[in-house]
This record gives sequence, C-alpha cells and structure tokens, in this order.
Amino acid sequence: SQQGEEDPQALSIQEGENATMNCSYKTSINNLQWYRQNSGRGLVHLILIRSNEREKHSGRLRVTLDTSKKSSSLLITASRAADTASYFCATDAERALTFGSGTRLQVQP
Amino acid sequence: EPEVTQTPSHQVTQMGQEVILRCVPISNHLYFYWYRQILGQKVEFLVSFYNNEISEKSEIFDDQFSVERPDGSNFTLKIRSTKLEDSAMYFCANTPGMENYGYTFGSGTRLTVV
Repeated sequence: SQQGEEDPQALSIQEGENATMNCSYKTSINNLQWYRQNSGRGLVHLILIRSNEREKHSGRLRVTLDTSKKSSSLLITASRAADTASYFCATDAERALTFGSGTRLQVQP
Repeated sequence: EPEVTQTPSHQVTQMGQEVILRCVPISNHLYFYWYRQILGQKVEFLVSFYNNEISEKSEIFDDQFSVERPDGSNFTLKIRSTKLEDSAMYFCANTPGMENYGYTFGSGTRLTVV
C-alpha cells in the first residue's frame, strides 16, 4: 500500500454518533495532518499532530498518532449532518504533503 | 481568515493548448505548492516553490509544466501543451514556513481538456 492509506473507504453513520477513521503510512514523518474536502471543493486543514505527540484535540476532533505502528486515527464526536465530507490524512515528510485516498463520511440526519 | 484565491474556477481547453492557472497566496506565507486531483483519485503533489525557485517537484511535473511568480504576488502554474489526462482539479496551497504548518488550500481550478 502507499503512504497515507485511510480505512474505511466509506462510512455512514447517524447524526449524534461518533465517527472514527484510520490512516496508515510507511515512512518516517515530521507530522501528520487531517484535511476535509466537501464534494468538488478545496481541502480544509483540520488538525496537525507532530511526530513526538500522541494525541491532540480540537473541538469535536480527536487525533491519535502511533509512530511505532505508523498509524493515526481521527475521531469526530457527536457527528452532525454538516460533517458529511471526505476526510484525508496527509503525511509531512521531507518533500511535501502526501495524501491518502480518503474516507467518505456520510452523516444521516 | 486568510484565504488562497484561485482563478479561474473552471477552464475548458482544447488538447494541445496552453493554460495558465492563477493563485493569489496569503501575504507573508512564503511557501507555495501546486497539487492536482484527478476525479475520484488521490490529491497528488506537483511542485513546491520558495524564494522564487522550485524546491521540489514530483514525477508528474515534467517539462510541460512550469511555475512562476510573475509579479511577486501571484503564483501561476502553466501547462504548455495540454493532454486529455491533464483534466483534473488543480489546487494551490500556501504555508508560512517549511515544517509543522497546516496548508491553506485554494478552492481549486477544474481543468477540462477536450
């Protein structure tokens, strides 16, 4: 698999439920970032976690990073219909951001 | 909140034609990037630009592509002779520094080559 692969590819939940997305990568990183993309729109930066950090919170978002397993997870708590979007992890190594293929999240009202 | 502005939002061009995609970055954000996303596929790195020169480029960024800051503010991506497979969303991005910064992306230019 390539750098920054998300799992699952698609996720459908009810409003109010939590959504968890996972990301695996292959090489050493400086940081890992999560982005959101609404259909046909630009990417919006959500959160950045550095390689020496294990967990980070921002509002309803919680990100974990396990550098020994080369994996990260994004948890969105108390989801809303407006959270419907694609979510991408991106690893920042030596060159520039390398994106995964994303998780499509559908939150049913 | 500061924004990266891209123009045009959508461009249709004939195969073999030259296109220039434009980006107005955030002032004082000195690192510039172009990415592209073919429909249904990953966001792919094309090139990074700092201090008026290319820092890094990917295998995609061949001789058909070029970047410049023509007037010290705007940042452009030129595709010299477009191919059908160049059809994609092209995103400009900006960071204030090199490491440990989130990227601010523009809303993209949808390029359709016919």
